Amino acid sequence: NAGVMQNPRHLVRRRGQEARLRCSPMKGHSHVYWYRQLPEEGLKFMVYLQKENIIDESGMPKERFSAEFPKEGPSILRIQQVVRGDSAAYFCASSLGGGDEQYFGPGTRLTVT
Amino acid sequence: GENVEQHPSTLSVQEGDSAVIKCTYSDSASNYFPWYKQELGKRPQLIIDIRSNVGEKKDQRIAVTLNKTAKHFSLHITETQPEDSAVYFCAASRSGGFKTIFGAGTRLFVKA
Repeated sequence: NAGVMQNPRHLVRRRGQEARLRCSPMKGHSHVYWYRQLPEEGLKFMVYLQKENIIDESGMPKERFSAEFPKEGPSILRIQQVVRGDSAAYFCASSLGGGDEQYFGPGTRLTVT
Repeated sequence: GENVEQHPSTLSVQEGDSAVIKCTYSDSASNYFPWYKQELGKRPQLIIDIRSNVGEKKDQRIAVTLNKTAKHFSLHITETQPEDSAVYFCAASRSGGFKTIFGAGTRLFVKA
């Protein structure tokens, strides 16, 4: 029973490049959440998606950030024109239904040089 | 907006002692309260959760209590061990397509 998968685990980008982070939820889960975590800090909600729908994107910056969860394939968090302040660990989590327990992936550690 | 406050931010206990972490939430419609443990460099892992229709839940050395009237819930770890050292996050959410709000975390140190 594979858990939540994220790739890549580590990603290095130069300022101005694009970063694409992928998340495959647990089998049977149709709800996906993205969180950002800076070193020594908590989990900041970014976006909540269901298949083909964005349910809540209130935690996502209006510019440069976008997320999708297509009918087929993983959920993708896309950061355009990355800046040093985007360096963080990005975790995704999935749940069976809204308000159910969330299971986290191993995270993608993004470093912007 | 919705908010979850967590205290203390750091907690240091002697091995074998108990540890208590407290959280308060603002959204009175919240009905699901999970607790996560995150070790250094690892993903958050669900350790226990409670729903609003019960006041207490226990699983071996860990227990969670919920006071809906006061809008606060607590994590209790008894007979702490060095491997309990980690960051613990509380969270609150409600069913039906709403986001989960996390507390800022408590860094627990268990001294051998």
